[in-house]
Amino acid sequence: DVKVTQSSRYLVKRTGEKVFLECVQDMDHENMFWYRQDPGLGLRLIYFSYDVKMKEKGDIPEGYSVSREKKERFSLILESASTNQTSMYLCASGSQGQGRFEKLFFGSGTQLSVL
Amino acid sequence: AQRVTQPEKLLSVFKGAPVELKCNYSYSGSPELFWYVQYSRQRLQLLLRHISRESIKGFTADLNKGETSFHLKKPFAQEEDSAMYYCALMRTDKLIFGTGTRLQVFP
Repeated sequence: DVKVTQSSRYLVKRTGEKVFLECVQDMDHENMFWYRQDPGLGLRLIYFSYDVKMKEKGDIPEGYSVSREKKERFSLILESASTNQTSMYLCASGSQGQGRFEKLFFGSGTQLSVL
Repeated sequence: AQRVTQPEKLLSVFKGAPVELKCNYSYSGSPELFWYVQYSRQRLQLLLRHISRESIKGFTADLNKGETSFHLKKPFAQEEDSAMYYCALMRTDKLIFGTGTRLQVFP
């Protein structure tokens, strides 16, 4: 069974702190994604990566950065947390078949509260 | 712009009633569409995809290119179908999600 593991289920941080959200997958997937999930707004793509050391901006990258030093790990970084970044963050991974991935596997999410 | 629209935030039905969760898309090429589901306290997971033409847990979804729709249907809702449902569109190897519809099935 594919496992996508997010390091924290709940996180509380203060405004201005640097925040790291970690995600690890164990199925050797090339593609990894970070979404945020907000009521009424659905899932919005923040950043994604198709390979080690590679990253691409999603639809809402402002205030975030990412790191992918190893294939199995994809980190989301909030350089200076703000209250409007309070949200549920979902990591996902997927493998590529015939040029596109078949489906995404999601982590259980990190509920981040910025006070 | 390429996007997915789910017009209903909440859909409430009684057990045994038919269900239709609406999804409309905007895409210039041949779309690849999916339905994902999130049950209470569980991870988001794939329910079905249009290219497979499959029925999962009694749900089906047909791509209608003329109406640019991919509505999710089930003839007889069950209480265990209560969940959050997201329609998603593949856009250059990224999945773009709609805002979601919460389905409540009452006994």
